[in-house]
Amino acid sequence: QTVVTQEPSLSVSPGGTVTLTCGLRSGSVSASYYPSWYQHTPGQVPRTLIYDTNSRSSGVPVRFSGSIVGNKAALTITGAQADDESVYYCVVYMAGGVWVFGGGTKLTVL
Amino acid sequence: QVTLKESGPVLVKPTETLTLTCTVSGFSLRNSRMGVSWIRQPPGKALEWLANIFSNDEKSYATSLKSRLTISQDTSKSQVVLTMTNLDPVDTATYFCARIFTYPYYFESWGQGSPVTVSS
Repeated sequence: QTVVTQEPSLSVSPGGTVTLTCGLRSGSVSASYYPSWYQHTPGQVPRTLIYDTNSRSSGVPVRFSGSIVGNKAALTITGAQADDESVYYCVVYMAGGVWVFGGGTKLTVL
Repeated sequence: QVTLKESGPVLVKPTETLTLTCTVSGFSLRNSRMGVSWIRQPPGKALEWLANIFSNDEKSYATSLKSRLTISQDTSKSQVVLTMTNLDPVDTATYFCARIFTYPYYFESWGQGSPVTVSS
């Protein structure tokens, strides 16, 4: 069974830069997995941030960017703001029409 | 404007079957570039993808839940239905439906979510 790995928690100072990563327990995440990123604050609707590795969804600020770094997908927030404090999920698309979510990274802005 | 709205029971007893409906508007389930997925989030836990269906009726399911899930659609009603059998308290979660795009594959729009509690 595919396991997608994410940092359980990270912190960043206001105005700072932070990179969240998304890996596979066995193997590497490449663009062929169409990695996407979602922001989810408990009690709210998940928000689509990045799709197809590095495409920003409509209305998403440019401070959010996606990439492949080494063998992982990455979400970088440049110039973090207080309302970026949330849980961020990576999702990869596997052959056979299956999606797998990572465990989420709880980002604290302090 | 694209909207998705989940509906279904709030409380279900263990061993019963859950039926959730996702009613969509602003797009057609017949669109070959799109489909609908179901995703859930148990309290305090991560999001989990459950199933999806595309316009050609192609379906796929999460491996761990495949034997308990059925997804279907009624394009005339713009509805996608998910049934889950043999419910257990661990199935307590908020259930979301989302519009998905084929290439590149991602969840583009989300419903508000439907909370479900499994308890006797």
